[in-house]
Amino acid sequence: NAGVTQTPKFQVLKTGQSMTLQCAQDMNHEYMSWYRQDPGMGLRLIHYSVGAGITDQGEVPNGYNVSRSTTEDFPLRLLSAAPSQTSVYFCASSRKGTSGGTRGELFFGEGSRLTVL
Amino acid sequence: DAKTTQPTSMDCAEGRAANLPCNHSTISGNEYVYWYRQIHSQGPQYIIHGLKNNETNEMASLIITEDRKSSTLILPHATLRDTAVYYCTRPTGTASKLTFGTGTRLQVTL
Repeated sequence: NAGVTQTPKFQVLKTGQSMTLQCAQDMNHEYMSWYRQDPGMGLRLIHYSVGAGITDQGEVPNGYNVSRSTTEDFPLRLLSAAPSQTSVYFCASSRKGTSGGTRGELFFGEGSRLTVL
Repeated sequence: DAKTTQPTSMDCAEGRAANLPCNHSTISGNEYVYWYRQIHSQGPQYIIHGLKNNETNEMASLIITEDRKSSTLILPHATLRDTAVYYCTRPTGTASKLTFGTGTRLQVTL
């Protein structure tokens, strides 16, 4: 059971380049989300999804796009990378709770470390 | 904006109990409190959650005050491998999103 898999683990981009961080889970979780973690800032929610075809913004969505075409995958796209997007990105998934969102027991991937020069 | 408040850092001697407090004074009656930890730069790991009764699992115990405004995560016999950042969090807003502050950095020492 692989859990939540993120690729790539490391990436260096130049300003203005685009890329996609991949996230896949094999637990049939309805809820998926992306966080970024910067030194001294904790984890900040970028985007989340409560099911295939449904996405919404978190705390810091600007500069990022997401889509959810399948239950398993939730890619995060940077359309034009900026140095401010240098960070560690975590994908997380969970079962859906009674309120329609996360049930709260999030499973996290190992992170993707992105540097934008 | 719903928030939790935790001390920035704590120390604990190996073998002793580590008691990590969290204040969540604005929590609603049906909102759970969740605890996670993050070792080094790994992805956060779920520890435990509770509503109003005390909870225990193989990793830790969770004590929630009767008024539910605060809770304490207890690691009964801390080891060096418990050195990590511990996050107390609660669902907020639509879709019950979990947001994470800066947590408590627990240092377990010999």
